Amino acid sequence: AQKITQTQPGMFVQEKEAVTLDCTYDTSDPSYGLFWYKQPSSGEMIFLIYQGSYDQQNATEGRYSLNFQKARKSANLVISASQLGDSAMYFCAMRVLNTGNQFYFGTGTSLTVIP
Amino acid sequence: NAGVTQTPKFRVLKTGQSMTLLCAQDMNHEYMYWYRQDPGMGLRLIHYSVGEGTTAKGEVPDGYNVSRLKKQNFLLGLESAAPSQTSVYFCAGGRTGPVTGELFFGEGSRLTVL
Repeated sequence: AQKITQTQPGMFVQEKEAVTLDCTYDTSDPSYGLFWYKQPSSGEMIFLIYQGSYDQQNATEGRYSLNFQKARKSANLVISASQLGDSAMYFCAMRVLNTGNQFYFGTGTSLTVIP
Repeated sequence: NAGVTQTPKFRVLKTGQSMTLLCAQDMNHEYMYWYRQDPGMGLRLIHYSVGEGTTAKGEVPDGYNVSRLKKQNFLLGLESAAPSQTSVYFCAGGRTGPVTGELFFGEGSRLTVL
């Protein structure tokens, strides 16, 4: 079975500080991709970052980086230098090749940036 | 280039009524998905399609039907709406190939069933 687990329902971070949002995944398929999405209060889903299961290096996109620990099956999102606009829901997702490329989502983490 | 467009954005139904949500994409995506989002439950896959004329069940398909008669459109139908189907519905499109390639989401459709 494929599963994404986000154990932090809510997180707070001081503006300009870094924050880590946790994500663990479960799949027996060797080919998968891991994604993070941001959902601000306006409701749209915004793609942030991607990590492939065969990628040797951790993905980075601007202030976002993905801490990929394959042995632990974790794919934590690190946001550096938090900004007020980072306040949103964050979803971790997994795409698995041998399940018809279905995407599996976690339950999300609500991040609040404190001025 | 509109991306992924959902209509309607908001709808209120009475129990037992039927309706169809339309998802249209102009990104030439082979894969299309319908999710529902409920508080504390993340996004759950209802149905998906890997190409024109094909559909498959996701995690929570009961009470819903879908059709993909044209590549660019993916319809989600509720034949007899129930209060438990009150939710925000998202359509998304994705590319074929390996596991690279993110989903592109529509803006969501908020459905309330009274």
